[in-house]
Amino acid sequence: RKEVEQDPGPFNVPEGATVAFNCTYSNSASQSFFWYRQDCRKEPKLLMSVYSSGNEDGRFTAQLNRASQYISLLIRDSKLSDSATYLCAVNIDNAGNMLTFGGGTRLMVKP
Amino acid sequence: NAGVTQTPKFQVLKTGQSMTLQCAQDMNHNSMYWYRQDPGMGLRLIYYSASEGTTDKGEVPNGYNVSRLNKREFSLRLESAAPSQTSVYFCASSASGTSYFYYEQYFGPGTRLTVT
Repeated sequence: RKEVEQDPGPFNVPEGATVAFNCTYSNSASQSFFWYRQDCRKEPKLLMSVYSSGNEDGRFTAQLNRASQYISLLIRDSKLSDSATYLCAVNIDNAGNMLTFGGGTRLMVKP
Repeated sequence: NAGVTQTPKFQVLKTGQSMTLQCAQDMNHNSMYWYRQDPGMGLRLIYYSASEGTTDKGEVPNGYNVSRLNKREFSLRLESAAPSQTSVYFCASSASGTSYFYYEQYFGPGTRLTVT
């Protein structure tokens, strides 16, 4: 089993739709969780950190489920500009220095 | 602030040639990282430096060496390039230390390397 797994997609959704991605992780001791956005041929850019209580930033909501060992990203009112690959990242060492990235979920928002 | 910068942006090498990829950050971050990204493989950690003066192996260190030149700069060297090292290389940095809290990593624009 991979340490961090994501459904590669693609998720094809119409503009205005709500879409959710999950990311499962295998290390129950992990403490740091992140969502990154990566556009084609660009670097990953931090979208949001995922806190234990969940957090929201505009149309984006991130949640952590420790019991089932997954994090989720919900995007409401999808825009064409949301089309990208979304990577989750989880720390794998106690110092938090090393992150393991999932393979990414590709989202395509259609007009 | 430029954030994390990388040079060069593109490079083509012949098998057996050597080269050094440069990375610099101006965010006063302690930790720096080198990743490679291949289709279907995601981002894989090559080496990292938790603080100035230290370096450690990541998931795929074979065929690479690193130098943490100072707090700002972290270079990646390919001594004898192989076609299997064709990839996109990203440098990242974070304000990590030894405390156990969230460490957000910030990435440079990447170097696209082709080894023929």
